[in-house]
Amino acid sequence: GDSVTQMEGPVTLSEEAFLTINCTYTATGYPSLFWYVQYPGEGLQLLLKATKADDKGSNKGFEATYRKETTSFHLEKGSVQVSDSAVYFCALSDLNQAGTALIFGKGTTLSVSS
Amino acid sequence: GAVVSQHPSRVICKSGTSVKIECRSLDFQATTMFWYRQFPKQSLMLMATSNEGSKATYEQGVEKDKFLINHASLTLSTLTVTSAHPEDSSFYICSARDQGMNTEAFFGQGTRLTVV
Repeated sequence: GDSVTQMEGPVTLSEEAFLTINCTYTATGYPSLFWYVQYPGEGLQLLLKATKADDKGSNKGFEATYRKETTSFHLEKGSVQVSDSAVYFCALSDLNQAGTALIFGKGTTLSVSS
Repeated sequence: GAVVSQHPSRVICKSGTSVKIECRSLDFQATTMFWYRQFPKQSLMLMATSNEGSKATYEQGVEKDKFLINHASLTLSTLTVTSAHPEDSSFYICSARDQGMNTEAFFGQGTRLTVV
């Protein structure tokens, strides 16, 4: 079945450092790809998404490009802030199937220090 | 963006009692809602898919008699943890998608259940 694999954390960075969180996927169809962020004690918030190959999703300085050839959707940010500390989840879903749930990676904890 | 409201955000109950968690889509109609469970420092595990007006579809290994799901309207789904035990303590999160196609899922704030 479809699956998502993302790099193990925690990732610990200093403020203004460059961030990469790797995410690869396995899917039989043509899924849409997502990054969600979860702050402590809260639910998930959509960070960005891409619905087809070569699309780039971006939001709040984060970006990720849907790479079909490498089945990847790596999350990047050029300069992280302390407020970016959270857990980041890569996910996929077939948006053409309304009754389909998202499949999540295991999550990567990011800790940014000043 | 669309809003999904989940209530309560935190609940503490005694072992053997039942707890109901509500999930509401506030500004859209959700034919399908999803219930997830999240263990500490782990990913979200899909428990069941809730369909308006019909029985929920449970994932393998999830006890349907323990985790009762009702999706009575296009804006409300409820999860009832029956005869709760300490091992049911967890973070439960609901999610909903708009009726239309090509829409992402929106998530509730989550419910922290502690069974003592």
